[in-house]
Amino acid sequence: EAQVTQNPRYLITVTGKKLTVTCSQNMNHEYMSWYRQDPGLGLRQIYYSMNVEVTDKGDVPEGYKVSRKEKRNFPLILESPSPNQTSLYFCASSFPGAVGTEAFFGQGTRLTVV
Amino acid sequence: AQSVTQLDSQVPVFEEAPVELRCNYSSSVSVYLFWYVQYPNQGLQLLLKYLSGSTLVKGINGFEAEFNKSQTSFHLRKPSVHISDTAEYFCAVSEFPGNQFYFGTGTSLTVIP
Repeated sequence: EAQVTQNPRYLITVTGKKLTVTCSQNMNHEYMSWYRQDPGLGLRQIYYSMNVEVTDKGDVPEGYKVSRKEKRNFPLILESPSPNQTSLYFCASSFPGAVGTEAFFGQGTRLTVV
Repeated sequence: AQSVTQLDSQVPVFEEAPVELRCNYSSSVSVYLFWYVQYPNQGLQLLLKYLSGSTLVKGINGFEAEFNKSQTSFHLRKPSVHISDTAEYFCAVSEFPGNQFYFGTGTSLTVIP
């Protein structure tokens, strides 16, 4: 089954404690991205990756890092989380260049930073 | 960069009534248009997409959307809603196939019994 898998689904952490949210897709997609969803603000892109070892900032990259060492994985790293990073996070993947392809989303990770 | 506007943040509607969720985007260049649905505690699921051709697009669960190039709009409609349609709906635009999706702020549809 084609899917994007995020882990964990729920995470509560304390300010300053480094954490990683994993994302993996099994569709051989080249394009992957991370979004955060906040009430009234919709989905805002944090980082994206066009391919292995190619990453770039989205609209709200401050406080986040990503890496793309393999095509299937695109982890989101918060080196020193702060309460304003409490949010719902989504990973997505798609196949660039294929007309009509949509973004496929993971189930989301609800992060609370206290 | 594209800008996507969903004009209604919340839409309450009675069961079996029709509904329209509005979406406008900023650019008149060729774009690809999508509507996603997010049920409570779930990820985003594709409802329908417009690529080219017929301006009326049919999706899952009885939803349809109409692309209007002159008004840069892509409104979502359903002639008769069900309780199970209660969800958050997002409009999205892509200029290049398969990457850089721009999302609206979402419309929360609540179906009232």
